Amino acid sequence: DVKVTQSSRYLVKRTGEKVFLECVQDMDHENMFWYRQDPGLGLRLIYFSYDVKMKEKGDIPEGYSVSREKKERFSLILESASTNQTSMYLCASSRHSYGYTFGSGTRLTVV
Amino acid sequence: DQQVKQNSPSLSVQEGRISILNCDYTNSMFDYFLWYKKYPAEGPTFLISISSIKDKNEDGRFTVFLNKSAKHLSLHIVPSQPGDSAVYFCAASAKTSGTYKYIFGTGTRLKVLA
Repeated sequence: DVKVTQSSRYLVKRTGEKVFLECVQDMDHENMFWYRQDPGLGLRLIYFSYDVKMKEKGDIPEGYSVSREKKERFSLILESASTNQTSMYLCASSRHSYGYTFGSGTRLTVV
Repeated sequence: DQQVKQNSPSLSVQEGRISILNCDYTNSMFDYFLWYKKYPAEGPTFLISISSIKDKNEDGRFTVFLNKSAKHLSLHIVPSQPGDSAVYFCAASAKTSGTYKYIFGTGTRLKVLA
């Protein structure tokens, strides 16, 4: 079974802090994704990566950056956290055209 | 502009009856569709998929129907069970940058009443 592990289930950070959300997958998937889920807005794509060191902006990249130095790890970085970035963050991975496997999510609260 | 729409935010169904969840899309280039189920405080889990070359796909109690001309897909759950209570997301994709990037709907919260 593919496993996608997000390092934290719950995080509370202060406004202005730099925040790192980590995601690791163990099935050698090429593609990795970061989404955020908000009530009434569904899942919105922040960034994705289809190879090591490759990244592409999704629909809402503002205020975020990503890093993929190794195939199994995809990090989401909030450069200066703001309260409107309080959300559920979901990491996913996939191989080619197959559907995603999601992690359990990180509930981030920015105060 | 929402390319994938789930117009019903919530749905309540009696146990044993059929649940029908609907999804509309606007991009005619979409050629692969998925349904995911999500429980609170968990990541979404894959439920069922359908490619644009088909109009129906079945997996146990779950059937997905695709109407390409109407740009509409639906998920049927028969019979519905209390454990099916969750938020359901449909997702659509077309190949881009060498991979499939899915766009998700806003979700429908299904409540199955015992």
